[in-house]
Amino acid sequence: EIVLTQSPATLSLSPGERATLSCRASQSVSRYLAWYQQKPGQAPSLLIYDASNRATGIPARFSGSGSGTDFTLTISSLEPEDFAVYYCQQRSNWPLTFGGGTKVEIK
Amino acid sequence: EVQLVESGGGLVKPGGSLRLSCVASGFTFSSYSMNWVRQAPGKGLEWVSSISSSSSYIYYADSVKGRFTISRDNAKNSLYLQMNSLRAEDTAVYYCARDFRYCSGGSCYSIEVFDYWGQGTLVTVSS
Repeated sequence: EIVLTQSPATLSLSPGERATLSCRASQSVSRYLAWYQQKPGQAPSLLIYDASNRATGIPARFSGSGSGTDFTLTISSLEPEDFAVYYCQQRSNWPLTFGGGTKVEIK
Repeated sequence: EVQLVESGGGLVKPGGSLRLSCVASGFTFSSYSMNWVRQAPGKGLEWVSSISSSSSYIYYADSVKGRFTISRDNAKNSLYLQMNSLRAEDTAVYYCARDFRYCSGGSCYSIEVFDYWGQGTLVTVSS
C-alpha cells in the first residue's frame, strides 16, 4: 500500500498570503496524484487531478506540481473561503489511498 | 445537475449488518465507475471500495475485504454497499463518489479520482 504523508498538519496563515502544502508518497506514483478541499460539514471537492490539472471551475490561484514521490499544492493568495482541510490522493496503485490532511487555518 | 444521495446509515451493534444505497441523477450512471469513501469522526478520508461501470471490476480496501460487498443496479441508477460483521472501527460517514472522466485529443478517460460526492450517511457501530 502506498502511504501518503502530508505536511504540515496545520498551516496558520492570513488572507492574502501564499500557502504551500506538501504530499510525499512512500513510492513513486508518477503524476497520479489528486488534491481535494474539505470544509466543515461538507463532502470533499476535487481541486487538482494528475498532479497539476485543475478540475472544472477551480480558480487559478490553486496550482499543483510534482511527480514521483513529492508533490505540492500552492494557493497563491488565500481567500477567506480557502480556509479548510486539504487531502491528497493517489491513483497509481490499488488500494487507492489518501494523505492524512493539512488544515489551513486563519492566523 | 449531478446529484448523489446516500441513505441507509444508522446505529448498529457490533457484528451486525447494514446496506447503504446511493441514488444518482443528472448524468449517465451506467457510464461511470463509482466508489465508496468513508471518514471516521474527526479523522481523514479512507477509500473503501470501487466498482466499474458494468461491474466487471471491483476493488476493496483490506480493512473491509470479506465483510463488505459493493454492487450497482444501472437500471435504477443506484450504488450499494452491503456491510456485514460490522466493527466499532467501521463507524464513519460513508460517501458515494463518482469517478472523474475527461476528454482530450478526441479520446475520453475515466480515472480514479472523485469529482462528485454525496452528502454522506453516518454509520455508527456501538453496543
